Amino acid sequence: FMLTQPHSVSESPGKTVTISCTRSSGNIASNYVHWYQQRPGSSPTNVIFEDYQRPSGVPDRFSGSIDSSSNSASLTISGLKTEDEADYYCQSYDSTSVIFGRGTKLTVL
Amino acid sequence: QVQLQESGPGLVKPSETLSLTCTVSGGFIGSYYWNWIRQPPGKGLEWIGYINYSGSTNFNPSLKSRVTMSLDTSKNQLSLMLSSVTTADTAVYYCARGNLVGTLDLWGQGTVVIVSS
Repeated sequence: FMLTQPHSVSESPGKTVTISCTRSSGNIASNYVHWYQQRPGSSPTNVIFEDYQRPSGVPDRFSGSIDSSSNSASLTISGLKTEDEADYYCQSYDSTSVIFGRGTKLTVL
Repeated sequence: QVQLQESGPGLVKPSETLSLTCTVSGGFIGSYYWNWIRQPPGKGLEWIGYINYSGSTNFNPSLKSRVTMSLDTSKNQLSLMLSSVTTADTAVYYCARGNLVGTLDLWGQGTVVIVSS
């Protein structure tokens, strides 16, 4: 299956943005979805695991959810800060593969 | 704290084999799934494959015929070999620690590999 993300999103500081990740086939709830943040020049870091769990150290401004009706997962960032400007990738898996979405560039302006 | 560090030649000639090592420090290599992921310049993340603590492997179907992975628990290292490289294999290569449900919770800083004659 594939994971489809918007190429880019932009929003102003202090606002809330949501990035979607739609699974092409199979139930989104069948396998956990994880999210990664990649700032320019840096390695990716995990910001949401197992659909909605936050690793320690990740601010509670970051939240994750899944929606079976649209077969998609979402990453929501509230109270946007300029430091949130980055590429965001969703990722899931099946019995044999790890699958990444193509990434969404978040611009905070 | 646990850290991952990739190492290997930064330049590989077309048709040759790319060889990289990831050294795990501050923790034991056992009980995890060890992944290799790459990122071509200006593009997204591509999963290459993983090897787990028992030596079982799984590879991206598009790369499977060219990939070999191994684990050396005595050195706390994992290795990646990618054969018959072309310019399309030019990328930053990352190793990352994973678990049974696919979370990649720890990443190395990445190493740049350029395929060029």
